[in-house]
Amino acid sequence: DQQVKQNSPSLSVQEGRISILNCDYTNSMFDYFLWYKKYPAEGPTFLISISSIKDKNEDGRFTVFLNKSAKHLSLHIVPSQPGDSAVYFCAASSGSNYKLTFGKGTLLTVNP
Amino acid sequence: EAQVTQNPRYLITVTGKKLTVTCSQNMNHEYMSWYRQDPGLGLRQIYYSMNVEVTDKGDVPEGYKVSRKEKRNFPLILESPSPNQTSLYFCASSRGTSGIGELFFGEGSRLTVL
Repeated sequence: DQQVKQNSPSLSVQEGRISILNCDYTNSMFDYFLWYKKYPAEGPTFLISISSIKDKNEDGRFTVFLNKSAKHLSLHIVPSQPGDSAVYFCAASSGSNYKLTFGKGTLLTVNP
Repeated sequence: EAQVTQNPRYLITVTGKKLTVTCSQNMNHEYMSWYRQDPGLGLRQIYYSMNVEVTDKGDVPEGYKVSRKEKRNFPLILESPSPNQTSLYFCASSRGTSGIGELFFGEGSRLTVL
């Protein structure tokens, strides 16, 4: 049973446009959500997070939106740059639970 | 420099030959964890440790062992590797106070079991 779902395996956008990566979850106990970026031959790196008490968190070009009623979160990258091309993983955890559940990832390609 | 270091980065071995993948972090983190990444399956947690001598199973613990005798080290042990353990393995750590928070990952260890 996949508790964190990223239904789009890949996404291609033009440089300068907005990239929107989506993530759905099924476990209503999840209350902390994170996005990680992964380049080939490197480990994932933390990008941005959001607590369930918020519906938006912004960090520079990156914004994460959380819709708790829909159990949906999205990552917006504006403007997209070729260096943003990577696999993006959505992850979720609950309370003081020390398990972090990842989605399968979305490959973002930003074309110059 | 704050980092999580895994060794070896690449390994080819044969079925049944015991191996250990080491993981060390220099950030004094309480929490450490192992993940495997497989095509189409994303990152799946194998084991995690909330502190020294405290470990617990993740989602795919079968065929693996871990130990946490020191805070900085969290080795992953494959007692009798099989071909289905061919994968890309990542070690990660975090401060781990009241939940996981931000995980810092190592660069990965690519293991092939023939």
